[in-house]
Amino acid sequence: DGGITQSPKYLFRKEGQNVTLSCEQNLNHDAMYWYRQDPGQGLRLIYYSQIVNDFQKGDIAEGYSVSREKKESFPLTVTSAQKNPTAFYLCASGTPMNTEAFFGQGTRLTVV
Amino acid sequence: QQQVKQSPQSLIVQKGGISIINCAYENTAFDYFPWYQQFPGKGPALLIAIRPDVSEKKEGRFTISFNKSAKQFSLHIMDSQPGDSATYFCAARDPRSRGSSNTGKLIFGQGTTLQVKP
Repeated sequence: DGGITQSPKYLFRKEGQNVTLSCEQNLNHDAMYWYRQDPGQGLRLIYYSQIVNDFQKGDIAEGYSVSREKKESFPLTVTSAQKNPTAFYLCASGTPMNTEAFFGQGTRLTVV
Repeated sequence: QQQVKQSPQSLIVQKGGISIINCAYENTAFDYFPWYQQFPGKGPALLIAIRPDVSEKKEGRFTISFNKSAKQFSLHIMDSQPGDSATYFCAARDPRSRGSSNTGKLIFGQGTTLQVKP
């Protein structure tokens, strides 16, 4: 099956710890994205990558880091510098010219 | 700075009624306007989309109306059903890109939670 796979579905983190969210796609898309979803705030762009070994900050990149070493993979690290990390995180990949974004099932991160 | 503004934040409609969600944008460079539907605990999925050279697009019970001069577009759900209850996001594609790739990026509105009552 083609698609976007995010793991884990639920993640708990202690304050002060870094945590990495996985995102893998087998759609052969160049573009990949990370969004954060909070109630009433829609989808806010954290980072995006339009090509391997290149990525750009989105609107809320502070406290997050990414890498894009392979076309299929775009992991997101939530660092201890992110002051309010509890949220639903969505990864997506885009078709050529980004006429459609395909989303994963999301990872719900909770800081305990 | 919200580049795509969506309203209302929530909407309650009776079964069989019409649901209307509105979006507005400022950047005239945006060149593609999709709508996404998201059920609880799932990722959003593409519902319907329109290009700015078209004023209306209809797919089944879902219609996008696009007003280029006003920089507004809306989603109409006719004969709304309880199964339509979900969160809806409008989006706009910013074609500007960096590097050798020409993929642009999608910018989303804040989302509308629709509840259709039986």
